[in-house]
Amino acid sequence: EDKVVQSPLSLVVHEGDTVTLNCSYEVTNFRSLLWYKQEKKAPTFLFMLTSSGIEKKSGRLSSILDKKELFSILNITATQTGDSAVYLCAVLHLTGNQFYFGTGTSLTVIP
Amino acid sequence: DAGVIQSPRHEVTEMGQEVTLRCKPISGHDYLFWYRQTMMRGLELLIYFNNNVPIDDSGMPEDRFSAKMPNASFSTLKIQPSEPRDSAVYFCASSTTTGEQFFGPGTRLTVL
Repeated sequence: EDKVVQSPLSLVVHEGDTVTLNCSYEVTNFRSLLWYKQEKKAPTFLFMLTSSGIEKKSGRLSSILDKKELFSILNITATQTGDSAVYLCAVLHLTGNQFYFGTGTSLTVIP
Repeated sequence: DAGVIQSPRHEVTEMGQEVTLRCKPISGHDYLFWYRQTMMRGLELLIYFNNNVPIDDSGMPEDRFSAKMPNASFSTLKIQPSEPRDSAVYFCASSTTTGEQFFGPGTRLTVL
């Protein structure tokens, strides 16, 4: 059965800390892995990863994919209170554009 | 582009009533998805369309749920009759074949 597992389920850090969020997957016919940030509204897109070992970076956020070990990490450096959100990982199937979502990691950044 | 548009944003109804949620995808996107999100179950895919044709509806909970996409710019998700356990936020999302999905603001449904 295809599945996506995120860890930790929740995390509380202080401003300025660096955090690493994990996403492992067991999905046949993998195409891409996507990261989303969800505050109290709809998910917003962060990264799409298709190739192994190539880091994607946007400001203080970065992500990398390991297709051999079937996982991805999302790093946030110098965290700010505005980073508080649920971070969702989703794997895109090769055919049909179907997505498999993880349950998310809830990040709380304390001032 | 205005992004994915959903209506209504909030819906409160009584058990047994029919509920219709609406979605307008981003122009040019040929995939449309309906999701449901609850605290207990997280984000669940209900059904998705490609070029207005339903591709996979295995996530639809039961026969009370139905979805249509009569044209490329409009889709509906209908629940009839509604039950309290249907209370959730329902998201519509659209994408092109490259896969990145753009979500609408969601409809928060409360069934009393």
